[in-house]
Amino acid sequence: AQKITQTQPGMFVQEKEAVTLDCTYDTSDPSYGLFWYKQPSSGEMIFLIYQGSYDQQNATEGRYSLNFQKARKSANLVISASQLGDSAMYFCAMPGRYIFGTGTRLKVLA
Amino acid sequence: EAGVAQSPRYKIIEKRQSVAFWCNPISGHATLYWYQQILGQGPKLLIQFQNNGVVDDSQLPKDRFSAERLKGVDSTLKIQPAKLEDSAVYLCASRPSRGAHIQYFGAGTRLSVL
Repeated sequence: AQKITQTQPGMFVQEKEAVTLDCTYDTSDPSYGLFWYKQPSSGEMIFLIYQGSYDQQNATEGRYSLNFQKARKSANLVISASQLGDSAMYFCAMPGRYIFGTGTRLKVLA
Repeated sequence: EAGVAQSPRYKIIEKRQSVAFWCNPISGHATLYWYQQILGQGPKLLIQFQNNGVVDDSQLPKDRFSAERLKGVDSTLKIQPAKLEDSAVYLCASRPSRGAHIQYFGAGTRLSVL
């Protein structure tokens, strides 16, 4: 069975600073992946970044990077230089059965 | 490229009534998903289609929920009869191929059951 855990219900960050959103996972599959999605108040889920378990390097997409620690079963999202538009819910997810975590609400302060 | 289209955006019904949601995936996307997202929770997969066949419906409450994807394109999700606990956002997503994991989501339908 797969499981995703996001332990931070809410986070605040000052504009232009970096923030890390935590995600831990559990799976018995030898090959797997982790996603992060952003959900603004409009409701649409927006794909941010993907990491495969056999990828040699941590994934990066612009201001988003994934701190993937396989031994710790963690896949934390790092957002650099936060912007006001980054305020949203953030979900960690695993493909296959597409299990989502409970999300972290990020608020960027001006 | 047009995104995933869903309608209606909002629906309010009374318990025991029926409701249907419609989804038009991105053109050419073979895989289509329906999710239920209850307030304060992450999305929960209800059903996955590959073309017009069901791949996974293990979390679909089949006594009241049904879904179809005729001709492997559009899809409808129906609830009959609705219960109070069905109040949620229903998200549709599509994916281009087996090799690409990224799902593209629609804006969702917000259902309120009174």
